[in-house]
Formats: sequence, structure tokens, C-alpha cells
Amino acid sequence: QVQLQESGPGLVKPSETLSLTCTVSGGSIARYYWSWIRQPAGKGLEWIGRIYTSGSADYNSSLKSRLTMSVDMSKNQFSLKLSSVTAADTAVYYCAKVGGGNNWFDPWGQGTLVIVSS
Amino acid sequence: EIVMTQSPATLSVSPGEGATLSCRASQSISSKLAWYQQKPGQAPRLLIYGASTRATGIPARFSGSGSGTEFTLTISSLQSEDFAVYYCQQYSSWWTFGQGTKVEIK
Repeated sequence: QVQLQESGPGLVKPSETLSLTCTVSGGSIARYYWSWIRQPAGKGLEWIGRIYTSGSADYNSSLKSRLTMSVDMSKNQFSLKLSSVTAADTAVYYCAKVGGGNNWFDPWGQGTLVIVSS
Repeated sequence: EIVMTQSPATLSVSPGEGATLSCRASQSISSKLAWYQQKPGQAPRLLIYGASTRATGIPARFSGSGSGTEFTLTISSLQSEDFAVYYCQQYSSWWTFGQGTKVEIK
């Protein structure tokens, strides 16, 4: 079965760029949509963006100006870059497969905590 | 943006009792609704999609209903492993989540 694992720095300085990678195992990333979702401590879930394996991406309008997603088919990975981060970007970041023909999220990675602080 | 509103924020239930969680959409989403369960320190887990279809491996005590703007997740007899936070999520127009309902032990 497909499993996802997030990786990247756990601490990013304000105004810098947050970079995360999601590695997919147990199946190919080809021909599926993949997403990033984040959750500030003690709060709810926010969809960040999705990417298809062609490289076509859609972003949450609230983050669009700072966001870039990409895919590396050779490594079975997809990535997230969020620029000009502030403390408000501190959260657990999850990657997930968009299932059911691009509808719901299943499965999810275990999540990685990113803290924005100097 | 479609806003999802869940109620109540917290539900106190005794083991073995049933629980009913509500989710309301700010506009009609047909049946394009999913429910997730999240335990502390874990990622959300898909429970229900299409408003009423259980995901693979989800026990029959979990059931979903509703369409349009009003949806319900029912847990028929709470087991110890069911105490968690539950989120609804619409996929009619991009994706938005409710703020969650915490089901705690009474």
C-alpha cells in the first residue's frame, strides 16, 4: 500500500523559504494528484495546494503568491516551497494522496513540524 | 470559499454510548463530503467519503449521512479508540475543512 513521508528542515527563519519533500513508497506517483495540508498547533486543517504528476499545480489563493510545488518522477517525490515565511506559517505540514478521482485525501504522511523562528 | 461549520466543538460521551456530530456547508456541496478522524500526534485518517461511504477498513459503527448543506457523522457505540477529533471536509470547490469536533470521554 502507498505510504508517504515528509522531510525537510524543522526550523526556518522569518522571511526565508520553507522547503519540504514528500517521498511516496509502495506505488508510483504517476497519474495521481498529490497535496499538501497544514495544521497549526491546536488548530484545524488548511489545504495548501495540489500537484499532478505532469507538474500542473493549483494553490490555495491565500498562499498562491508565495507557493511553488513541483514533482520529481524519477525519485517518486513531490515538493513544496513557501517563501517569505512568518510565524503564522508555523505548523505541522502533511502530504497526502488525492484519492477518489481528485476528491479526498488518503493516505496521509505522518506530518512534519516546521517552526518559523529566528 | 465554502465554509464548513462543525458542531458541537466538544462532545462528552461515555464508552458504549452513541455520538452524533454535525457539519454544515455554507452552500450546497451535494454529497461531496468526507470525514476524518485524528488522534493526538497522528495524521488524519479518512473515515467516510461521498457523505456516506465508509473507507476501506473503517468499522460499521461509523456512518455518515446528509447532502446539500447538512451532514452527520454517527458513531453507534463508542469504543476507547474512537475518542479523537473529527473533521469534515468538502471537495465540491477546492477543499476546505471544518474546525473539528473533539469527542472526549465523559
